[in-house]
Amino acid sequence: EVQLVESGGGLVQPGGSLRLSCAASGFTFSSYWMSWVRQAPGKGLEWVANIKQDGSEKYYVDSVKGRFTISRDNAKNSLYLQMNSLRAEDTAVYYCARDRGSYLIVPDYWGQGTLVTVSS
Amino acid sequence: DIQMTQSPSTLSASVGDRVTITCRASQSISSWLAWYQQKPGKAPKLLIYKASSLESGVPSRFSGSGSGTEFTLTISSLQPDDFATYYCQQYNSYFFTFGPGTKVDIK
Repeated sequence: EVQLVESGGGLVQPGGSLRLSCAASGFTFSSYWMSWVRQAPGKGLEWVANIKQDGSEKYYVDSVKGRFTISRDNAKNSLYLQMNSLRAEDTAVYYCARDRGSYLIVPDYWGQGTLVTVSS
Repeated sequence: DIQMTQSPSTLSASVGDRVTITCRASQSISSWLAWYQQKPGKAPKLLIYKASSLESGVPSRFSGSGSGTEFTLTISSLQPDDFATYYCQQYNSYFFTFGPGTKVDIK
């Protein structure tokens, strides 16, 4: 069974940093692209970033470029999101998702999410 | 950037109704479109990929159609478990974008 478990969320002040983790199990982690998607309270879904199987390609939504870094450790079956210079508008539930596909990719399995609150 | 729109934003329906949700892309995305269902406090669940392919384990009352810039999600006979919010998502590139969502509630 595919499982994705996020951790690392919490309350952080504006300008602060946080590192999210996603522990994957039930599939060959190193064979899949992975994504982070967020959802602000009461709002819709927003894709944040994704990363290729070997980490050689990474893509970000414009609003987080230069502040967030996606990474992975295939030996630990783990995905990460380093978030720096956090802003109030980064407050959201952050989901990690497995991306399926060989040419173009689509998120098929999602974790339950971890809440990040940016507030003073 | 590819923008996605959905209509309606809210839909009130009864059990047994046929329900159709429309999603439009700001430019052609071929058939690279997915549909998700999300219930409050839960993660999204993939229903349809490549515009019309039903994800494994998803009931056959769900169907998708369309290509290019206009797409539809149809629920042939709405069931109590289907009251939720539905999102479309384009994956024509590695830069994904989601529609704003359509909430299906009880009439």
